[in-house]
Amino acid sequence: EADIYQTPRYLVIGTGKKITLECSQTMGHDKMYWYQQDPGMELHLIHYSYGVNSTEKGDLSSESTVSRIRTEHFPLTLESARPSHTSQYLCASGATGGRGTDTQYFGPGTRLTVL
Amino acid sequence: SQKIEQNSEALNIQEGKTATLTCNYTNYSPAYLQWYRQDPGRGPVFLLLIRENEKEKRKERLKVTFDTTLKQSLFHITASQPADSATYLCALSGGSYIPTFGRGTSLIVHP
Repeated sequence: EADIYQTPRYLVIGTGKKITLECSQTMGHDKMYWYQQDPGMELHLIHYSYGVNSTEKGDLSSESTVSRIRTEHFPLTLESARPSHTSQYLCASGATGGRGTDTQYFGPGTRLTVL
Repeated sequence: SQKIEQNSEALNIQEGKTATLTCNYTNYSPAYLQWYRQDPGRGPVFLLLIRENEKEKRKERLKVTFDTTLKQSLFHITASQPADSATYLCALSGGSYIPTFGRGTSLIVHP
């Protein structure tokens, strides 16, 4: 089982609140990712990082921001939550295998509901 | 545009039978392909990786094939068990190596 943690597991908040979703891994992986997934739908990459002080936006446009000050920590922040942000947020870290392969280890996810 | 297709209908099979799931893709030249398992409300778990120059990969009861001519991967679970019931995602990686995930196919194994 991968050592990657997300808190909180469930969060219900009101519109306009600022929230931070926490993600930590103890595997020493350089690569970390945030995905958004709605029920029965694909995972959509919203942010990724290849190391400390490196962050990039993913394929899905998102109003969230991320930071990577420490290797093990990759928090995601929403400055002003809206009902359209309601979704499951999954954090992953990546192990680079032979010939550049990227296998991902996922956390348990945060189910966010914005009222 | 790049597209990954997995059967959206659930696959129902009897315990002990072989389950076969399909992943088709278009407008994509993947360097490798991965299969993940996802249980409800949880994050995906990595199962197998197969490279573009490999035809088949096995791990215990799991087998993956990769046909770059047909642009298709097949995922087999032999001697299936109710505990194998889950959604199975395929993910393709090209030059950037960041995987793009399919929507997944739900497998239900009946006792």
